[in-house]
Amino acid sequence: GAVVSQHPSRVICKSGTSVKIECRSLDFQATTMFWYRQFPKQSLMLMATSNEGSKATYEQGVEKDKFLINHASLTLSTLTVTSAHPEDSSFYICSAALAGYEQYFGPGTRLTVT
Amino acid sequence: AQSVAQPEDQVNVAEGNPLTVKCTYSVSGNPYLFWYVQYPNRGLQFLLKYITGDNLVKGSYGFEAEFNKSQTSFHLKKPSALVSDSALYFCAVREARTSYGKLTFGQGTILTVHP
Repeated sequence: GAVVSQHPSRVICKSGTSVKIECRSLDFQATTMFWYRQFPKQSLMLMATSNEGSKATYEQGVEKDKFLINHASLTLSTLTVTSAHPEDSSFYICSAALAGYEQYFGPGTRLTVT
Repeated sequence: AQSVAQPEDQVNVAEGNPLTVKCTYSVSGNPYLFWYVQYPNRGLQFLLKYITGDNLVKGSYGFEAEFNKSQTSFHLKKPSALVSDSALYFCAVREARTSYGKLTFGQGTILTVHP
């Protein structure tokens, strides 16, 4: 149980375009989902906390207008990178919290902006 | 503020030998502590957690960790390492009193198990 999926697993887009990443909890309802960004050989950096039906809470230094987060249902949260630039290239990982304890992580999405 | 330190960027062990990946933490209040493992280009897999109770926690794939409150440590251990254990390991902490609280991760430790 506690499976989290992400789609797509890999995406290449041109500079200036927007890309949407989906995060789904497949076998449980997640009131809270988290979005992380991971640079090569580095730790996870929390970008935002997403609560179903309300606005996401962004971490300091994360542009909310650039990284749009929508948590429309208890099983789906989306991250849209708007007007992507090469510096947005990264590995994006979502997680869903179950019962207030551990977070279960998706497999990640590799974004490459050319 | 909460923080996690993994003092070793890399740990190398021979297959069959015991392994330890170190983690120390700082948090106000009681901690919830976690270990995750990450394989290349994959998300994080949950290994084990300490919430309360017995200080020795057993988790997946034969891993265990010992919570030491006085030393604020939560080291990950395995009695006999396998080559397939080679991966990136993250320790994480959050404050117990916050529900759905955000995790703070250590910088990660690359474990390499040699045949």
